[in-house]
Amino acid sequence: DAGVIQSPRHEVTEMGQEVTLRCKPISGHDYLFWYRQTMMRGLELLIYFNNNVPIDDSGMPEDRFSAKMPNASFSTLKIQPSEPRDSAVYFCASSPRGQGDSSYNEQFFGPGTRLTVL
Amino acid sequence: AQSVAQPEDQVNVAEGNPLTVKCTYSVSGNPYLFWYVQYPNRGLQFLLKYITGDNLVKGSYGFEAEFNKSQTSFHLKKPSALVSDSALYFCAVTKRGSWGKLQFGAGTQVVVTP
Repeated sequence: DAGVIQSPRHEVTEMGQEVTLRCKPISGHDYLFWYRQTMMRGLELLIYFNNNVPIDDSGMPEDRFSAKMPNASFSTLKIQPSEPRDSAVYFCASSPRGQGDSSYNEQFFGPGTRLTVL
Repeated sequence: AQSVAQPEDQVNVAEGNPLTVKCTYSVSGNPYLFWYVQYPNRGLQFLLKYITGDNLVKGSYGFEAEFNKSQTSFHLKKPSALVSDSALYFCAVTKRGSWGKLQFGAGTQVVVTP
C-alpha cells in the first residue's frame, strides 16, 4: 500500500484565494483525520470522519474552513478565503476499524501539505 | 478533558547513551497512550502504544515505554541512542469510546550527537 497520499505537497497562495487540500486514505481504513501543525500551536485536530461521516468538527477554526469526504477514498479540506495566519502544515491521517473500541488503533499519517498564504 | 504534558522541549544525548523522553497525561478513566515520531518534512510515524496489560511496551526501532498509573506517566526510552534517532517525538492520549480522537503533547526534539 502506498500509505496516506496528500496533494499538493506545497501550496503558496495569496490572501483571499481559495485553497483545497486533498487526501487519499489507506484503503480499508474507516477513520480519517485532518490536523494542522504550527510552531505556535503544535498539532491540532481539525475534524475527523468515520465511514465518510463527520464525527467531530470542533477543531475547525472558523467558517472559512470546510471539509468533505464524498467517498471512502477521498477527502478535501478547503479554506475560503485564505489568510496569512492559515499558513501551516496540514496533515491527513487514517486509521483502521478495530473490533469493538477502535480508539486504540494507531493513526497513519500522510506526508503533509505545507501551506503558505502571502 | 484529556491532556498531555511533555516537560522538555529538547533532549540532548550522546550516541550510545540511554535516551529518555518524558510524558505525563491526564484523562478520566483508563488511558490509551501512544508515541509517535516525526522526521523533518515528514508525517508522524507510530512507534508504540499502551492499551492494557504489561506496563512495559516495546515498539519500533528499539524503543520502549513504561506505563506508570500512579504517576500518570508514559516515558519513552531507548537503551542506546543513535544519531538517526534525532527527530521530534510526540506523546498522545485517548480513551475508550473517544472514536480515536487523540490529544497530542507539544513534542520533544531529540538531538543525538556523534
